[in-house]
Amino acid sequence: AQKVTQAQTEISVVEKEDVTLDCVYETRDTTYYLFWYKQPPSGELVFLIRRNSFDEQNEISGRYSWNFQKSTSSFNFTITASQVVDSAVYFCALRPSSGSARQLTFGSGTQLTVLP
Amino acid sequence: GAGVSQSPSNKVTEKGKDVELRCDPISGHTALYWYRQRLGQGLEFLIYFQGNSAPDKSGLPSDRFSAERTGESVSTLTIQRTQQEDSAVYLCASSGGQGFDEQYFGPGTRLTVT
Repeated sequence: AQKVTQAQTEISVVEKEDVTLDCVYETRDTTYYLFWYKQPPSGELVFLIRRNSFDEQNEISGRYSWNFQKSTSSFNFTITASQVVDSAVYFCALRPSSGSARQLTFGSGTQLTVLP
Repeated sequence: GAGVSQSPSNKVTEKGKDVELRCDPISGHTALYWYRQRLGQGLEFLIYFQGNSAPDKSGLPSDRFSAERTGESVSTLTIQRTQQEDSAVYLCASSGGQGFDEQYFGPGTRLTVT
């Protein structure tokens, strides 16, 4: 069975602060993919990143960075110098990379509010 | 269109009625997924179609739920004898189906059962 836990239900920061969203996962699969999606108030999920379990290198994309640590089963997401437009619900998700199952297992999401 | 589209965007129905929700995937995408998102919660997998293979129905919560897909195009999710606990946003996603690709989501259908 797979499980994704996002312990932070809501986070509120002031613009320009850095913020880290936590994600912890459980899986029996030896290979898997981890994802982050953003869901703005409009409701449509926006893909942010996919990470293969083989690749533990951290990744940076502009103000976004991701810290994957297989030893602690965590895949945390940091937004540097947050902006009001970053306000959204962020979901972490997991999927096996082999076998027939392709569906994503999602965490319950973290509501991020960036105040001006 | 360029993205996944869903209709209707909102649906209000009375308890006990049947509803049909439609999803148009991205052209060329062989895989199609339905998820349900209850208020304030994450997404729950419902069903997955991949090409001409038998669909993975393992996430359907009851036999009141069913889905069909015509070839590699439109899919319809049907909920029979709706209950209040069916109220949620139903999201459709599609992917290229190569197994390692991202799922692209539609805007969802917000279903309210009164």
